[in-house]
Amino acid sequence: GAGVSQTPSNKVTEKGKYVELRCDPISGHTALYWYRQSLGQGPEFLIYFQGTGAADDSGLPNDRFFAVRPEGSVSTLKIQRTERGDSAVYLCASSTHRANVLTFGAGSRLTVL
Amino acid sequence: KQEVTQIPAALSVPEGENLVLNCSFTDSAIYNLQWFRQDPGKGLTSLLLIQSSQREQTSGRLNASLDKSSGRSTLYIAASQPGDSATYLCAVRYNYGQNFVFGPGTRLSVLP
Repeated sequence: GAGVSQTPSNKVTEKGKYVELRCDPISGHTALYWYRQSLGQGPEFLIYFQGTGAADDSGLPNDRFFAVRPEGSVSTLKIQRTERGDSAVYLCASSTHRANVLTFGAGSRLTVL
Repeated sequence: KQEVTQIPAALSVPEGENLVLNCSFTDSAIYNLQWFRQDPGKGLTSLLLIQSSQREQTSGRLNASLDKSSGRSTLYIAASQPGDSATYLCAVRYNYGQNFVFGPGTRLSVLP
């Protein structure tokens, strides 16, 4: 596609529910990043994929968070047993190579009530 | 600890002024540094990427410099316009990491 697409753009859920956030990167971009951003702060790194494998998942805050990229294109971020503290904007970015320019999607705003 | 700071947190200037935004990082072992722009409720747009071997990059009215030894980068905006109003973030990729570490951003308002 022309840009990085993220769905849903907004998600409101209740505490304890399961959530999936999807990222469709630019075609041909092998590197994919997930970040989350709270109001007034810079993005916080979660996980980085090179192809299908998670090359660095050191930013995932705990085992409730998991991400996959089974075919090296679309990625899904999965959050189990959501908590109010998970509320944030989840950003996805892709690039042709991990050293190159990052192209970000518009983000998925998650609100946990 | 990898830490990126940005000063000032917010800046308001009249249209036409030249301005400088600052980014500081604690470790000089950087691979590259990017400056981004973020409009309210939107994702980030990359403005300039500086490799560790470079001292500066220019794009139109924007010029970014990099001084690894002092742990600093600056983004210079010439002849500012109201359309430049946004939050500007810098992000550092270190030699030993896979991710980009972001600063908190500087919120810029250019008044007409």
